Amino acid sequence: EDQVTQSPEALRLQEGESSSLNCSYTVSGLRGLFWYRQDPGKGPEFLFTLYSAGEEKEKERLKATLTKKESFLHITAPKPEDSATYLCAGTSGGTYKYIFGTGTRLKVLA
Amino acid sequence: KAGVTQTPRYLIKTRGQQVTLSCSPISGHRSVSWYQQTPGQGLQFLFEYFSETQRNKGNFPGRFSGRQFSNSRSEMNVSTLELGDSALYLCASSLGSSQGLETQYFGPGTRLLVL
Repeated sequence: EDQVTQSPEALRLQEGESSSLNCSYTVSGLRGLFWYRQDPGKGPEFLFTLYSAGEEKEKERLKATLTKKESFLHITAPKPEDSATYLCAGTSGGTYKYIFGTGTRLKVLA
Repeated sequence: KAGVTQTPRYLIKTRGQQVTLSCSPISGHRSVSWYQQTPGQGLQFLFEYFSETQRNKGNFPGRFSGRQFSNSRSEMNVSTLELGDSALYLCASSLGSSQGLETQYFGPGTRLLVL
């Protein structure tokens, strides 16, 4: 069964303390790996799409990478405004469904 | 370009009632997907519509149904509401031409509370 697992469930960082969020997937024929940010009471906001192992994308303090088994979202020198839930999703080559992980709740303390 | 809009934003219903939620996709997007988000289960895929046809379906009971109109707007209906249907219902749109490769853009969601 296609599955996406995110870890840790929750993460507290001091402002400026860099870290990584993990998204491991067992999705048959992965077509795309997507990262979203979700603030409380709002819909997910698109961050990155990765299509092949070895691919990397960056945006401000965020960098997403993809291997054959997992994806990482690296946060460099985070600020309090980076506090949110980060979701990843993989799309299956068989069903084309977007399969979401349960997210990592990130809290950055000033 | 306007984003995905969902109405209403909040709903309170009682068990046994039915509810209809509406979603207007980004202009030019022909695919609309619906998700249920709960604290314990995360985002669960309900169904996807493309050009007025259901193209994909998740593992939800038949009480959950949807449709899409010729202007790509979509509605989702839940009949005979149960307490467990309380959730944030999210709609996402994409171009629809490259399944599994496209970015989905989400609306703000409809918060449904069933009493």
